[in-house]
Amino acid sequence: AQTVTQSQPEMSVQEAETVTLSCTYDTSESDYYLFWYKQPPSRQMILVIRQEAYKQQNATENRFSVNFQKAAKSFSLKISDSQLGDAAMYFCAYRSAGREGGTASKLTFGTGTRLQVTL
Amino acid sequence: EAGVTQSPTHLIKTRGQQATLRCSPISGHTSVYWYQQALGLGLQFLLWYDEGEERNRGNFPPRFSGRQFPNYSSELNVNALELEDSALYLCASSLGTSGSWLRGTGELFFGEGSRLTVL
Repeated sequence: AQTVTQSQPEMSVQEAETVTLSCTYDTSESDYYLFWYKQPPSRQMILVIRQEAYKQQNATENRFSVNFQKAAKSFSLKISDSQLGDAAMYFCAYRSAGREGGTASKLTFGTGTRLQVTL
Repeated sequence: EAGVTQSPTHLIKTRGQQATLRCSPISGHTSVYWYQQALGLGLQFLLWYDEGEERNRGNFPPRFSGRQFPNYSSELNVNALELEDSALYLCASSLGTSGSWLRGTGELFFGEGSRLTVL
């Protein structure tokens, strides 16, 4: 079974600074997706960024980028130029791609990192 | 385009009662997932339905059950409610596991959740 680990329960960053959230995962598969979701106090889960395992290039979405290290099974999220609106719970998640003869699976989440943004 | 919708937004029940939560997926999505998010805990996978069938089930007792209707909407039933069932229940949808899924993004789209309080 796949597991996702987020070792930082809380992080804090000053506005306009850069912060990196850590995530490691465990899987025996070679083809999968990794995601970072954001859950603000409004509680709706919002996709921040996604990475396909067979793509070596790290995904970027505006101020958000990832450092995907497949061999190390590491998937960290970097937020540049942090804004007050970035304050939220951030969840790292794994999903099998289901292209290896199996069925695409559920999303497995880490326990989350609460990000505070200070002035 | 309408997103994933859940009802009710809030639900208050007493111990021993039954709760029914509903979810309508994004148009064109055939997979529906249910997650439980208890206070201070991460997202725990409950159930996954695709094309009307239960595809996977998390480590929850049988009093958690659900179904998916022909229009792909879904309901989650929780019988014999216990205090620890108090949580935010999130529904998500995605493209199904048939051919078109392989060209999809792998992303799950979430609703705003139903807050269940058991007194």
